[in-house]
Amino acid sequence: QKEVEQNSGPLSVPEGAIASLNCTYSDRGSQSFFWYRQYSGKSPELIMFIYSNGDKEDGRFTAQLNKASQYVSLLIRDSQPSDSATYLCAVPLGGGYNKLIFGAGTRLAVHP
Amino acid sequence: DGGITQSPKYLFRKEGQNVTLSCEQNLNHDAMYWYRQDPGQGLRLIYYSQIVNDFQKGDIAEGYSVSREKKESFPLTVTSAQKNPTAFYLCASSDRGQNGYTFGSGTRLTVV
Repeated sequence: QKEVEQNSGPLSVPEGAIASLNCTYSDRGSQSFFWYRQYSGKSPELIMFIYSNGDKEDGRFTAQLNKASQYVSLLIRDSQPSDSATYLCAVPLGGGYNKLIFGAGTRLAVHP
Repeated sequence: DGGITQSPKYLFRKEGQNVTLSCEQNLNHDAMYWYRQDPGQGLRLIYYSQIVNDFQKGDIAEGYSVSREKKESFPLTVTSAQKNPTAFYLCASSDRGQNGYTFGSGTRLTVV
């Protein structure tokens, strides 16, 4: 069974700090990785995706991928209370339509 | 604007009753998916469809049924055989590329 593992949290950080969210996956053949943000009671929204080893930056978000270690992370710089949400890591099973396997999510709480 | 529409937002089911959740997309995506989310848990795949008139079971298909008669529509029926249907149901779609999913706003189903 292919798996995606995340620490459930909650991860509590002060406003303005860097939040670091981690995800490990079991399938060495995985090629692409997705981070979704889900506010309480709402549906997930895609915030980042990464295909290549190394870092990918988009505004305050940085995704980091290490395929050798089967590890992908999401850094949120200058964390804001509005970043408080659950962050889901997702990895495709493969095939043309990339059926996604989701981790259980890490709950982030940013306090003023 | 393109997107995915799920209806209704809230649905109440009596014991022994079948109910159908609607999912419509105008993104011209080939693939569509149904996930279930229980409180504090990740997303579990119920059914998915990569093409019209074809669909496959996901990890938790028992007690559910789907149809894909049109590219735009992928309704989910929760049958009386599903003994614990109270959950948040999410519909998603994707294209042929590695672009992740677009989610609908979800349907919250409660057994009364």
